[in-house]
Amino acid sequence: DVLMTQTPVSLPVSLGGQVSISCRSSQSLVHSDGNTYLHWYLQKPGQSPQLLIYRVSNRFSGVPDRFSGSGSGTDFTLKISRVEPEDLGVYYCLQSTHFPNTFGAGTKLELK
Amino acid sequence: EVQLVETGGGLVQPGNSLKLSCATSGFTFSTAWMNWIRQTPGKRLEWLAQIEDKSNNYFISYLESVKGRFTISRDDSKSSVYLQMNNLKEEDTAIYYCTFNYPGIQFAYWGQGTLVTVSS
Repeated sequence: DVLMTQTPVSLPVSLGGQVSISCRSSQSLVHSDGNTYLHWYLQKPGQSPQLLIYRVSNRFSGVPDRFSGSGSGTDFTLKISRVEPEDLGVYYCLQSTHFPNTFGAGTKLELK
Repeated sequence: EVQLVETGGGLVQPGNSLKLSCATSGFTFSTAWMNWIRQTPGKRLEWLAQIEDKSNNYFISYLESVKGRFTISRDDSKSSVYLQMNNLKEEDTAIYYCTFNYPGIQFAYWGQGTLVTVSS
């Protein structure tokens, strides 16, 4: 299975600040169809995960433009600018290029 | 509004069975590819099973470690998906979520989850 490694595990942030979360895969996530199936989710405290970014850099419906995704191959980044209180929680990356789908272990965004 | 509501969780002894249900609304269920995902007590997320739609002959895929114990099914007339879990083990203790895919968009929406605890 493809191993997804997220760093850091914990990320202290000040409100209004900017942070980046890294996600690295053990194999290239470029699918034979040319797409890269790397997605980002946020799980707020006490809630289910919610989709933020799909296929590396596409914001899902209703996701503010403070969230941006980038990367290629095996190396991906989620950037959050102007962090707001509702952005706090655990961020997960997911690859669905290779079977089975596999998630990263999560990065906890918390206040300094 | 998209809604997914999981039910059927609870406390069960090792070796016993449980069937989870997920009732949905707010999207075209009959063409959706439905999935079950679980979150362990350590917060790790693990994809378990997917069932495709009628046009894909309801093709089913499973995580290898649950194949033979878990069975995913769907009832398009009820906009519902199910997960039959047999021979449960303590390591199956988790919150179980149902989700679905839009084309090219994985796990677009999630239910609130149902807790399964396997313990003697």
